[in-house]
Amino acid sequence: QEQLMQSGAEVKKPGASVKVSCKASGYTFTGYYIHWVRQAPGQGLENMGWINPHSGDTKIVQRFQGRVIMTRDTSTSTAYMELSRLTSDDTAVYYCGRSPIAAAEIDPWGQGTLVTVSS
Amino acid sequence: EIVLTQSPGTLSLSPGERATLSCRASQSVSLNYLAWYQQKPGQAPRLLIYDASSRATGIPDRFRGSGSGTDFTLTISRLEPEDFAVYYCHQYGNSPGTFGQGTKVEIK
Repeated sequence: QEQLMQSGAEVKKPGASVKVSCKASGYTFTGYYIHWVRQAPGQGLENMGWINPHSGDTKIVQRFQGRVIMTRDTSTSTAYMELSRLTSDDTAVYYCGRSPIAAAEIDPWGQGTLVTVSS
Repeated sequence: EIVLTQSPGTLSLSPGERATLSCRASQSVSLNYLAWYQQKPGQAPRLLIYDASSRATGIPDRFRGSGSGTDFTLTISRLEPEDFAVYYCHQYGNSPGTFGQGTKVEIK
């Protein structure tokens, strides 16, 4: 079945960068967009942006522009989200999710990757 | 960007009761492109409803989405024990997509 499998938990120091991966299986990777959404502890969902795995085009939500890079490797059906200049406010679970076009519902979702930023 | 406001923040109900969750948008959602997700502790969100009223694959018919423009509703006709969770609305008709802050449905 269609599935997204994310990389494991990370602990980073303030100012560092983190790169989270999202490996797709059970469907044609280049046929669907990958979205990134984060959730701080006890908080709601926050959209970060998306990548089109076919073209490599990305759209990053304004508040993350300059700090987030989204890439993909079509040979391994894997999408990546790199967040730089980490602060404690970036401590969150980061989810990837799939949609058929950019403006669409997200389904399914990856299991999430906890990123903890602590000195 | 569109701000989605969900109400109430918490809904305390008993199994078998009807749940009515609201999601109000700060401006009209294009093409009524609105989804609802269910999230249980320690789990990823799960799609329930898309395009305001279409049930996702495998979702029981006790879940019903309705509404248009700026006002949307998720109704759970008879709560089952597994329905107690947090529910989020998500608009994807206007870029950037945005989420509501969530409604927690808890056991009374």
